[in-house]
Amino acid sequence: AQKITQTQPGMFVQEKEAVTLDCTYDTSDPSYGLFWYKQPSSGEMIFLIYQGSYDQQNATEGRYSLNFQKARKSANLVISASQLGDSAMYFCAMRSANSGNTPLVFGKGTRLSVIA
Amino acid sequence: DVKVTQSSRYLVKRTGEKVFLECVQDMDHENMFWYRQDPGLGLRLIYFSYDVKMKEKGDIPEGYSVSREKKERFSLILESASTNQTSMYLCASSLVGIANIQYFGAGTRLSVL
Repeated sequence: AQKITQTQPGMFVQEKEAVTLDCTYDTSDPSYGLFWYKQPSSGEMIFLIYQGSYDQQNATEGRYSLNFQKARKSANLVISASQLGDSAMYFCAMRSANSGNTPLVFGKGTRLSVIA
Repeated sequence: DVKVTQSSRYLVKRTGEKVFLECVQDMDHENMFWYRQDPGLGLRLIYFSYDVKMKEKGDIPEGYSVSREKKERFSLILESASTNQTSMYLCASSLVGIANIQYFGAGTRLSVL
């Protein structure tokens, strides 16, 4: 069974600072994908970044990067130069490759608040 | 752009009513999903479908059913709504494959009184 753990219910960060949101995962499948989504107060889920289990390099998308440590089974999201618009819920999710139809399994989320 | 459209942003229903939540996607995705989101619990999978007329139970299917008569449309049905089904409901779709993004609709906030 797959499981995602996000241990930080809420975090605060000063504007323009970097912040790391933690995510650990559990799966017995050697092939899997890890995703991060952002959910602003409006409610829509916005895809941010993807990391495959066999990717050699950490994924980056603009101000977002994924700190992937396979041996530790962690996939932390790093947001550089935080902006007020980054205030939102952030969800880590995964899908294993035993079936390509497998839905994403989500963690409980971290609420990030960016302070001016 | 991929678009997943949920028919209502807000719904208020009474206990015992039959409730239909509709979801349509325009990108010919094979997979469609219904999640429920509650504070502190994250997103929990109710049902998903990988093809027309096919469905699979998720983690919390009790009290719900689904219908997928056409590839682009996936409906969630609450046969007899109860107050504990008050929640945010999110529909998503994706192509088959481990790296494929799940695209979400804007969500339906359902209140059962």
